[in-house]
Amino acid sequence: GAVVSQHPSWVICKSGTSVKIECRSLDFQATTMFWYRQFPKQSLMLMATSNEGSKATYEQGVEKDKFLINHASLTLSTLTVTSAHPEDSSFYICSAVPSGRSNTQYFGPGTRLTVL
Amino acid sequence: LAKTTQPISMDSYEGQEVNITCSHNNIATNDYITWYQQFPSQGPRFIIQGYKTKVTNEVASLFIPADRKSSTLSLPRVSLSDTAVYYCLVGDHSGGYQKVTFGTGTKLQVIP
Repeated sequence: GAVVSQHPSWVICKSGTSVKIECRSLDFQATTMFWYRQFPKQSLMLMATSNEGSKATYEQGVEKDKFLINHASLTLSTLTVTSAHPEDSSFYICSAVPSGRSNTQYFGPGTRLTVL
Repeated sequence: LAKTTQPISMDSYEGQEVNITCSHNNIATNDYITWYQQFPSQGPRFIIQGYKTKVTNEVASLFIPADRKSSTLSLPRVSLSDTAVYYCLVGDHSGGYQKVTFGTGTKLQVIP
């Protein structure tokens, strides 16, 4: 149980284009989801907290107009990287917290974004 | 948010027991301690969680002293496949899941 999927697992795009990453909780509902970014050989950095039906809360230094988050249902959150640039190339990981069991977050497998 | 401190790296031979200690001196009363394992290019995987004393599951044990200012993840008889980064997280989840901050983690290298 507690499986989280991400799609796509990897994506390569040209500079200036937008990329959407999906995060789904497959066997549970999640009121809260998180989005992280991880650069090579570094730890995970929290980008934003996504709550179903409300606006995401972004961490300091994360541009909300560049990283659009939509948590439209209890099983799906999406992260859209708008006008991507090479410096946005990174490993993006989402996590989900089961509704009604709020003490653990379960992570997706991650999405490798490469911007040319 | 409680800050955690872990050793940057550890080496161990196959078959040995490995203990990774995490310091969280300013842990709050309602904070839980959770450990995750991460392989390269994968999302972290939940290992174990505890609040106090000892917790054991099929893959690890978690020891938490009475003052809760530290915790130790114990991996019995490690194998090469246990080579990974291990993260200790501390957070208050009593009133709904609150965001947590990832520390540097401990990179465990298992040697044949």
